[in-house]
Amino acid sequence: DAKTTQPNSMESNEEEPVHLPCNHSTISGTDYIHWYRQLPSQGPEYVIHGLTSNVNNRMASLAIAEDRKSSTLILHRATLRDAAVYYCILSARGSSNTGKLIFGQGTTLQVKP
Amino acid sequence: NAGVTQTPKFQVLKTGQSMTLQCAQDMNHNSMYWYRQDPGMGLRLIYYSASEGTTDKGEVPNGYNVSRLNKREFSLRLESAAPSQTSVYFCASTRSMNTEAFFGQGTRLTVV
Repeated sequence: DAKTTQPNSMESNEEEPVHLPCNHSTISGTDYIHWYRQLPSQGPEYVIHGLTSNVNNRMASLAIAEDRKSSTLILHRATLRDAAVYYCILSARGSSNTGKLIFGQGTTLQVKP
Repeated sequence: NAGVTQTPKFQVLKTGQSMTLQCAQDMNHNSMYWYRQDPGMGLRLIYYSASEGTTDKGEVPNGYNVSRLNKREFSLRLESAAPSQTSVYFCASTRSMNTEAFFGQGTRLTVV
């Protein structure tokens, strides 16, 4: 399974944009890039995912490098509720053709008021 | 909609005891997953089920068994609990490959 590399932690000020980087140099052509976040004492929550093109939704934007070896999750205006661990994940095609999610260590985002 | 429901939320076991963690989803999803999360770590995949009637091993399957009882329910069984299995267990489901995964709130298990 392809691996991802993220910084252990990042800090941001409230109401400022946040760019969370992720490296995935061994990504295969069929791997989707997923982002999930986990608030304290909760299960992970879906944020966004994409394959090749940049993606936007109500929570965030996902910018994918042209060679797909890295991506960036963009939170346009950080709030205190965005403080969480953010996971960049490559979905791996399992033996049953299921896109199982393999989590790494993630980036702990702190948001300062 | 309740989404993904896990029971129990908390459990304390003695070494050697057995128990089953229950997971049910009401979204008509095809695939279901069991993860464990140790303190300060990311989630690790234990077992998954692509569809009713199929199960596959994940990253850390040793010491666990699973049953996909029907499309809604996916249970995780510890036959002989060990302190190393102290962890928070999360169940998740997806409609299909590369769609959004929904997670339960977790079961906090302590083995003494």
